[in-house]
Amino acid sequence: QSVLTQPPSVSAAPGQKVTISCSGSSSNIGNNDVSWYQQLPGTAPKLLIYDNNKRPSGIPDRFSGSKSGTSATLGITGLQTGDEADYYCGTWDSSLPNVVFGGGTKLTVL
Amino acid sequence: EVQLVESGGGLVQPGGSLRLSCAASGFTFSRYWMHWVRQAPGKGLVWVSRINSDGSSTNYADSVKGRFTISRDNAKNTLYLQMNSLRAEDTAVYYCARGYSELPGIYWGQGTLVTVSS
Repeated sequence: QSVLTQPPSVSAAPGQKVTISCSGSSSNIGNNDVSWYQQLPGTAPKLLIYDNNKRPSGIPDRFSGSKSGTSATLGITGLQTGDEADYYCGTWDSSLPNVVFGGGTKLTVL
Repeated sequence: EVQLVESGGGLVQPGGSLRLSCAASGFTFSRYWMHWVRQAPGKGLVWVSRINSDGSSTNYADSVKGRFTISRDNAKNTLYLQMNSLRAEDTAVYYCARGYSELPGIYWGQGTLVTVSS
């Protein structure tokens, strides 16, 4: 199982808001920055959020990130069918030392 | 335009070896950490390894330590992953990614499939 814990799936209706949680520990999220990645079916992962809450150029502000203690959260507002994808959190784990990913969360837009 | 293009994947028998390459273009390759990340069929992302900009520092996941070696040729703008003693559980799509801080960043390749089977 993954070092970082994410819910396996979340769902919401178009236009609604959803949050995806990522839980870790002091050796990873607690002391390191978190990134979030979106993987659309059959494609390579895409960086959505870096440094906990920053968006790369071209990523709409419907996507947001936050971190508190040993947990991080990805928020998506104004859901669109095109947002259906797998979402992964990732960070550095200082005790391993390794990059660690969450197990991934499948977003369904109903 | 930044591009990362992986190659070298294929079918290999258990215990065999394979070398993956990742050709980089559109940026100053020698300035960036680089990562390998893999994804088994139907499974999640798993980080494999990373290398610093001049190749002097590397890290590996425990699952590949001692079997895989990451390296780079900055003159050829190419990242490598030498994979030895391959196991069925190494079957996956392998992605290279440019680093940002400690992590894989904004640029990823399209991936190359490695299948370990007899």
